[in-house]
Amino acid sequence: KQEVTQIPAALSVPEGENLVLNCSFTDSAIYNLQWFRQDPGKGLTSLLLIQSSQREQTSGRLNASLDKSSGRSTLYIAASQPGDSATYLCAVKQGGKLIFGQGTELSVKP
Amino acid sequence: DAGVTQSPTHLIKTRGQQVTLRCSPISGHKSVSWYQQVLGQGPQFIFQYYEKEERGRGNFPDRFSARQFPNYSSELNVNALLLGDSALYLCASSLGPTTGWSYEQYFGPGTRLTVT
Repeated sequence: KQEVTQIPAALSVPEGENLVLNCSFTDSAIYNLQWFRQDPGKGLTSLLLIQSSQREQTSGRLNASLDKSSGRSTLYIAASQPGDSATYLCAVKQGGKLIFGQGTELSVKP
Repeated sequence: DAGVTQSPTHLIKTRGQQVTLRCSPISGHKSVSWYQQVLGQGPQFIFQYYEKEERGRGNFPDRFSARQFPNYSSELNVNALLLGDSALYLCASSLGPTTGWSYEQYFGPGTRLTVT
């Protein structure tokens, strides 16, 4: 059974710091991995999607990597801003569905 | 272009009642999936529909049912509501079936259901 774990559960950093969020999964047989952002009480906004054959994807200040063999993904956020404060969720696609981690709640202090 | 839309935004129901949640996918998308997100946890898969057929079902009781209409919109029904059904219900749409390929899923804003 696929299990997705995100560490840390919560993170507080000062504005301007570079930071890394971690995601691990137990079964490497995945189609892809997506990183999402969720603001309190809101839906999910897709940030980056990495196909199983890819190693990384970049969008602006965000960079996500995928190592299927070790069951790990990282989301790197450069020069963090208060507007980046949100919960970040990773999800792997397997068997037609997305399997989510519990998220990392990020707070960026001005 | 409009994204995925869901209605209603918020809903309060009493234990034992029934509820219907609605979702309209992005124009051109033929697949709709439903997820339940309990406070503090990641979303859990409930159903996936493609071309009006059920293509996947998560580990939820038979009180949960869904359907997809010819215009690809979808409804999620929950009968005999329990306090534990209180959650954010998310709908996601994609171009094609989510099985066998890696179409990206786009999520709506969700419906917040509170059962008292």
